[in-house]
Amino acid sequence: GQQLNQSPQSMFIQEGEDVSMNCTSSSIFNTWLWYKQDPGEGPVLLIALYKAGELTSNGRLTAQFGITRKDSFLNISASIPSDVGIYFCAGLEGAQKLVFGQGTRLTINP
Amino acid sequence: EPEVTQTPSHQVTQMGQEVILRCVPISNHLYFYWYRQILGQKVEFLVSFYNNEISEKSEIFDDQFSVERPDGSNFTLKIRSTKLEDSAMYFCASRLQGGHYGYTFGSGTRLTVV
Repeated sequence: GQQLNQSPQSMFIQEGEDVSMNCTSSSIFNTWLWYKQDPGEGPVLLIALYKAGELTSNGRLTAQFGITRKDSFLNISASIPSDVGIYFCAGLEGAQKLVFGQGTRLTINP
Repeated sequence: EPEVTQTPSHQVTQMGQEVILRCVPISNHLYFYWYRQILGQKVEFLVSFYNNEISEKSEIFDDQFSVERPDGSNFTLKIRSTKLEDSAMYFCASRLQGGHYGYTFGSGTRLTVV
């Protein structure tokens, strides 16, 4: 099956800083999704991307679907304490199956 | 905000025992899924279910696993004879037919096999 490589694995930043993380794949995905997971909870959808080159924002979050359909990035601007968590990229394989990246753990120092 | 509800939140079982994890998907959703997450690792697909049958399953979903929608609201995952390596968070998810692929996940059941 397809695999996603997500980086960085972890980030330690100061409150107010901007954050950038990305995801790459050796294969094409036609849909990319970004999720956030809080401790003890399930993943919550942040942004969905459907078209190559698409740039989509959701508040302070911005994500782009790479032109080659093999990569995506997520940016968070002006981070706040509640942004702490694990961020996962996911690609849709076939019609049903989500393939997840390994996650980026975000820690924010106040 | 509609939710996917999972019970129990935590289950401890002895190796070799059968467990049933329960999920109540969002009421008007038609596609149902189980994913699992071993501690500290990524979320992995187990199975998708539509129109009362499995539509896709992963290599993890072997003969020890089964899913069922026994009535109009519940969606269950059964593990027949649990192994230590089945210890993980199990997430149920659902989505609308024809909707975008942003599934709604439940909060998960933490299964601990001892």
